[in-house]
Amino acid sequence: GAVVSQHPSWVICKSGTSVKIECRSLDFQATTMFWYRQFPKQSLMLMATSNEGSKATYEQGVEKDKFLINHASLTLSTLTVTSAHPEDSSFYICSASGNDPGAMNTEAFFGQGTRLTVV
Amino acid sequence: GEDVEQSLFLSVREGDSSVINCTYTDSSSTYLYWYKQEPGAGLQLLTYIFSNMDMKQDQRLTVLLNKKDKHLSLRIADTQTGDSAIYFCAVAYNQGGKLIFGQGTELSVKP
Repeated sequence: GAVVSQHPSWVICKSGTSVKIECRSLDFQATTMFWYRQFPKQSLMLMATSNEGSKATYEQGVEKDKFLINHASLTLSTLTVTSAHPEDSSFYICSASGNDPGAMNTEAFFGQGTRLTVV
Repeated sequence: GEDVEQSLFLSVREGDSSVINCTYTDSSSTYLYWYKQEPGAGLQLLTYIFSNMDMKQDQRLTVLLNKKDKHLSLRIADTQTGDSAIYFCAVAYNQGGKLIFGQGTELSVKP
């Protein structure tokens, strides 16, 4: 299957600072990328959907000014957590779907996830 | 909105079969998936089924779909200790990858 790389895999930051997480599709063009958040022992909650070249669509309850998403190219989307606070500590996972010839066209490939800890 | 429910824990002995269940609420869900997550890692797609199918078998994995009852199950035959992980079912309405996940079932396989 296709490869989606997420970076960094873990990050610790001070409260009030901003953190950028990258999600790259390595061998296919990701027309759509999704950002999820997962709390310990809980399910994945979709935060936003981004299509290349257009503004992201945020799920209800997700602050778009706090979680900035950019999808400037077909292989890269970024999530920036602005003015992070301890309650933003979580596991963030991206997924990408697009034009991978080897995949069923409904499949979304997941990155490895980023563990964010805000202290 | 769509609600997807799973039991939280399942414990089996090595060599037994495991059955993980999932229910969903929206009958217009057309694509249904099973993902595996190991500790600290992302999600690995195990298998999927389209809503016009009743069953799909892929080596040790069997997916059963009861569309009338909105019930999906994943059977793992000859469960191994390496199968210990959290298993998520997820549903989608259309192509494009937006998924609604269940809470995940933690499978523990004892030797």
